[in-house]
Amino acid sequence: DVKVTQSSRYLVKRTGEKVFLECVQDMDHENMFWYRQDPGLGLRLIYFSYDVKMKEKGDIPEGYSVSREKKERFSLILESASTNQTSMYLCASRFDRVNQPQHFGDGTRLSIL
Amino acid sequence: DQQVKQNSPSLSVQEGRISILNCDYTNSMFDYFLWYKKYPAEGPTFLISISSIKDKNEDGRFTVFLNKSAKHLSLHIVPSQPGDSAVYFCAASLYGGATNKLIFGTGTLLAVQP
Repeated sequence: DVKVTQSSRYLVKRTGEKVFLECVQDMDHENMFWYRQDPGLGLRLIYFSYDVKMKEKGDIPEGYSVSREKKERFSLILESASTNQTSMYLCASRFDRVNQPQHFGDGTRLSIL
Repeated sequence: DQQVKQNSPSLSVQEGRISILNCDYTNSMFDYFLWYKKYPAEGPTFLISISSIKDKNEDGRFTVFLNKSAKHLSLHIVPSQPGDSAVYFCAASLYGGATNKLIFGTGTLLAVQP
């Protein structure tokens, strides 16, 4: 079974703080993704990485950065947290083959006060 | 511009009956479609998928139908069970570049009444 582990289930931070969200997968997947989920908006892609040290912007990258130094780990960084970044953050990974699904972690509920 | 649309925010069905969840898309170049199920406080779980070269894929109680001419996707659950109560997301991908991104719909909350 694929295991995608996000370091925190719940996190509370203050406006202006630098926030790190960590994601680790154990299936040697090449591709990794960060989404945020908001009511009525579905899942929106923030950043993705198709291999180590590779990254590409998704649909809503503003205010975020990412790091992929090792294949199994993909970090999302909120450079200076703001209240509109309060959300559920979901990490996913997949094999880089045709028609392979993404597998998700359980999410981090982040609140910015 | 919402490329993948789930127009029904919620659906209520009696246990044992059929649940039909619908999804429409606008980009005719999408070539792979997926359904995910999500319980509260958990991540989405992959349920079933279909390639654009097919019009039906079945896995146990779950069947996905693809109508390319109508750009319409549906998920049938038969028979529905209370444990199926969850939010269902459809997603579409366009294979290109180094990876294929998924475009998600906004989700449909399914409630299966005992």
